[in-house]
Amino acid sequence: ETGVTQSPTHLIKTRGQQVTLRCSSQSGHNTVSWYQQALGQGPQFIFQYYREEENGRGNFPPRFSGLQFPNYSSELNVNALELDDSALYLCASSWQGMGQGAGDTQYFGPGTRLTVL
Amino acid sequence: KQEVTQIPAALSVPEGENLVLNCSFTDSAIYNLQWFRQDPGKGLTSLLLIQSSQREQTSGRLNASLDKSSGRSTLYIAASQPGDSATYLCAAEDGAGAGSYQLTFGKGTKLSVIP
Repeated sequence: ETGVTQSPTHLIKTRGQQVTLRCSSQSGHNTVSWYQQALGQGPQFIFQYYREEENGRGNFPPRFSGLQFPNYSSELNVNALELDDSALYLCASSWQGMGQGAGDTQYFGPGTRLTVL
Repeated sequence: KQEVTQIPAALSVPEGENLVLNCSFTDSAIYNLQWFRQDPGKGLTSLLLIQSSQREQTSGRLNASLDKSSGRSTLYIAASQPGDSATYLCAAEDGAGAGSYQLTFGKGTKLSVIP
């Protein structure tokens, strides 16, 4: 059973640029959630994808967008980068049954450290 | 809006000591309560998950309790070891609309176990 993987590990961008972060979910999982963790803070929920559709979103602007693919891997895209976007971006995968409100344990990847200069 | 608070923010204990980490949440309508461990610059490792209908969960030297009515959870670590040094995060899972669910995290408790 493979765990959650994320790429790249580290990334440096300049303000105004666009970035794409990638996540491969754990085998057998159909749901992917993305979180942003600023230094010294707990992770904050960005959005969740289930069966290739965004089905829940936290308090993040539309320049944060995502995709989920048929193999349940996912991308997080951030446009018009701002200095405050510098953070550790975490992807988590889980299994959610049809019509089930809550999932099982969310398994987190190692994260992508994004620095915006 | 769910808010999660963890006390203390940091804790330093000698090796072998038993310790308790505290977590409180404002909205008791949660699906579950989870405890994670995070090593510096790393992702999160799930330690324990307590369903809303449960009172506690145990794994090895770890025991987590949940009191939904009072909005509190505790993580008890027995016989602490230097390898337990990390940041411990508490997260409440509830709905995020349209059948989705989200974890709301506290800021964590940074634990240092001194040999």
